[in-house]
Amino acid sequence: AQSVTQLGSHVSVSEGALVLLRCNYSSSVPPYLFWYVQYPNQGLQLLLKYTSAATLVKGINGFEAEFKKSETSFHLTKPSAHMSDAAEYFCAVNPNTGNQFYFGTGTSLTVIP
Amino acid sequence: DADVTQTPRNRITKTGKRIMLECSQTKGHDRMYWYRQDPGLGLRLIYYSFDVKDINKGEISDGYSVSRQAQAKFSLSLESAIPNQTALYFCATSDPWGTEAFFGQGTRLTVV
Repeated sequence: AQSVTQLGSHVSVSEGALVLLRCNYSSSVPPYLFWYVQYPNQGLQLLLKYTSAATLVKGINGFEAEFKKSETSFHLTKPSAHMSDAAEYFCAVNPNTGNQFYFGTGTSLTVIP
Repeated sequence: DADVTQTPRNRITKTGKRIMLECSQTKGHDRMYWYRQDPGLGLRLIYYSFDVKDINKGEISDGYSVSRQAQAKFSLSLESAIPNQTALYFCATSDPWGTEAFFGQGTRLTVV
């Protein structure tokens, strides 16, 4: 069975500090991996994705993530948090067998001025 | 225009009523999905369809049904709504290889 684990349902950082949101997955084959962001009262927007190319993936708004097969992780980082980064972040996996997308439970990011 | 459009955006309905949530997409993809979002639970798959003649149950399909009227349209029905179906519902579509899912803006459903 596929699963996605996001450690920390709530993360708070100071403005300008490093953002690190953790995601671990289980998959029997190398999957496609995604980070989506949800701003209040909005849908999900793709931040970045890994689809078996470079393991370090750069996304929008200065975010990046690194696929580490040995650790089955796909952690999301941003060097310097901005107030506008406050949102809910979801990690997702598509094991590309059956093509379903499995989501983590989400991490709510708060940015403190 | 949005790639995936959901209607209505907000709906309050009474227990026992039948309600339909509609979704249309302009991406031209065959694959469509309905998810439910609850606080602390993330997104859970209700139903998915890989083409007009293909409908599959997801992990939480009980109490729901779907109809795929065309490649671009996929509707979700609650035959007899109950309060614990109060949630945010998302429709999505993806390319055949699953390299990205495109989401609608969501429908916030409240069952009273």
